[in-house]
Formats: sequence, C-alpha cells, structure tokens
Amino acid sequence: NAGVTQTPKFQVLKTGQSMTLQCAQDMNHNSMYWYRQDPGMGLRLIYYSASEGTTDKGEVPNGYNVSRLNKREFSLRLESAAPSQTSVYFCASIRAARQETQYFGPGTRLLVL
Amino acid sequence: GESVGLHLPTLSVQEGDNSIINCAYSNSASDYFIWYKQESGKGPQFIIDIRSNMDKRQGQRVTVLLNKTVKHLSLQIAATQPGDSAVYFCAENTLNRDDKIIFGKGTRLHILP
Repeated sequence: NAGVTQTPKFQVLKTGQSMTLQCAQDMNHNSMYWYRQDPGMGLRLIYYSASEGTTDKGEVPNGYNVSRLNKREFSLRLESAAPSQTSVYFCASIRAARQETQYFGPGTRLLVL
Repeated sequence: GESVGLHLPTLSVQEGDNSIINCAYSNSASDYFIWYKQESGKGPQFIIDIRSNMDKRQGQRVTVLLNKTVKHLSLQIAATQPGDSAVYFCAENTLNRDDKIIFGKGTRLHILP
C-alpha cells in the first residue's frame, strides 16, 4: 500500500511554461484534494474532488485546472506558470464524506523563475 | 467568512514538559476539527480529531479540547519529546460543503533540551 503518491518531487519552470502535477492513491478513497503551502500561510485548498467525475474550487483556484481522471488519480495543471505559483503542492485523499482522516502525499516543490 | 487561525506562530517547550497549542476558528457551523503534525519535508500527518458534540478527546499522549462557546481548539501534548518537533495545524471541516477542509496557518513547536 503506497498511500498517496505524487510526481514529480521537484520541478523548475520558466514563467509561461505549463506542467501537470500528478497524484494517485491506492486506498480506494473517494475524495481527493490539492493544496499549496507557502511560508507563513499554512495549507490553502486549490481544488478538490468529492467523487470521481466531480471537481470544485477551493480557496485559491485561479491559475490552475484539475482533472479527476479516475477514482485513483487527480491531476493539477498549470497552463501558464507564474512566479507567484512557486510553492509546495500537496495532494490528499479521504475515504468518504466528511469526518474522516485525510492522508497526504509527500509534496511537489515547484519553482517558477 | 470561514477562517481557522492560530494564536502563536512558534512555541518553545522544555523536553519532558507538556505543550499546549491553541487554535481559533470563526465558523460556528463547523462540526469537525482535526490536528495535523507536519515534519520538515513531509506532508501533514493526522494526529487526532474531535467532533462538535464532544469537548474533549484523548489519544496517546495527546488531548484535544474544544470550546464551542468561544470557538477555540487546543492540542495538548504530554511529556514533550524531541520527536514532537514539527509544525502543528488545526483544520476545520465546513458544514455546508462536501469534504472541504480549511487549515490554519500552523504553529512551530520547538523542543528545548
């Protein structure tokens, strides 16, 4: 059981480049999340997917798109990266509806120059 | 609006002493609260949770207290050990949206030898 996995672990982009952050979970969880973590800001929710086929905006969705490819995978795309998107990105999943433990991946460090 | 915050950004505690980390929330409709521990370079890890129909819950060396009257949450760590050094986040689950969890900014716990 790998839990929540994320790729890549680290990425450097130039302003305007695009990339997709991948996330997968093998726990048969229904809900998946993308957060970003900046120094002094804690974790902020970008997008989440309550179930396969649905996605919803979180606190800071601008500049991002997501795809819930199937139950296991939830990807985050930056179409035109900006320096303000330099951050550490965490994917998380949860088994069912509210009031369940959320499991986090190891994170992706993104640097946009 | 909804917000979850922490009173102190850093906390230094002598090894062996008890630690108390505080958290305030503003959404009186929140009914589920979680404490996470994040070690350097890793994703957040679940510590303990509490539902709004409780005011206290105990785990192994940790206790969470919930005061709904003043919208305050605390995490108590007994006999603090060097391995407790981390950033601690409180989080709340909103009542009116599926699976949306909002994090506070975090408190860094520093253990003094």
